Amino acid sequence: NAGVTQTPKFRVLKTGQSMTLLCAQDMNHEYMYWYRQDPGMGLRLIHYSVGEGTTAKGEVPDGYNVSRLKKQNFLLGLESAAPSQTSVYFCASSYEEITEAFFGQGTRLTVV
Amino acid sequence: KNQVEQSPQSLIILEGKNCTLQCNYTVSPFSNLRWYKQDTGRGPVSLTIMTFSENTKSNGRYTATLDADTKQSSLHITASQLSDSASYICVVRNYGGSQGNLIFGKGTKLSVKP
Repeated sequence: NAGVTQTPKFRVLKTGQSMTLLCAQDMNHEYMYWYRQDPGMGLRLIHYSVGEGTTAKGEVPDGYNVSRLKKQNFLLGLESAAPSQTSVYFCASSYEEITEAFFGQGTRLTVV
Repeated sequence: KNQVEQSPQSLIILEGKNCTLQCNYTVSPFSNLRWYKQDTGRGPVSLTIMTFSENTKSNGRYTATLDADTKQSSLHITASQLSDSASYICVVRNYGGSQGNLIFGKGTKLSVKP
């Protein structure tokens, strides 16, 4: 059972470069989320989606864009990377809003 | 302001011993409270989810308690094992809040030594 799969696992970017993080889930979940985790802080919500074709902003959306063209995939884009976006990014999905969220393995992104 | 505070920040115990981790929250209105285990370099994995009406919930050697009146929760680990070394994160969902409104604590880092 794959669950939630994130690609890539590691990435180093130069300031100003762009990239896309891919999240794929095989549990037919409606809800998908992107979080970032920084040292000494709790996970913070970047963007989320309540279904195919829908997206919404979370707590820290600036500098990121997302798309959910297919129910199983949720993409997180960085148009012009900044050092402040150095972080570990986690994707999660859940069947309903109030049910258990399943997390991916994380993507460690370093912007130099 | 909705907040989740966990204590202690870190804890070292010997294998086989029990321990209790604390979570205090000011989230209102409350929907549910979750405990996650996060191994180093991996994503969080759910241990329990508790709603307002649940006082205790167990998952193997993990037992979570919830006191909705005092807005406190605890996670008790019995007969600790080396594999219990991880960060434990308390997460509270805000009822009726915006979609995806989970408030995360900073976690307690547990180290189990042989």
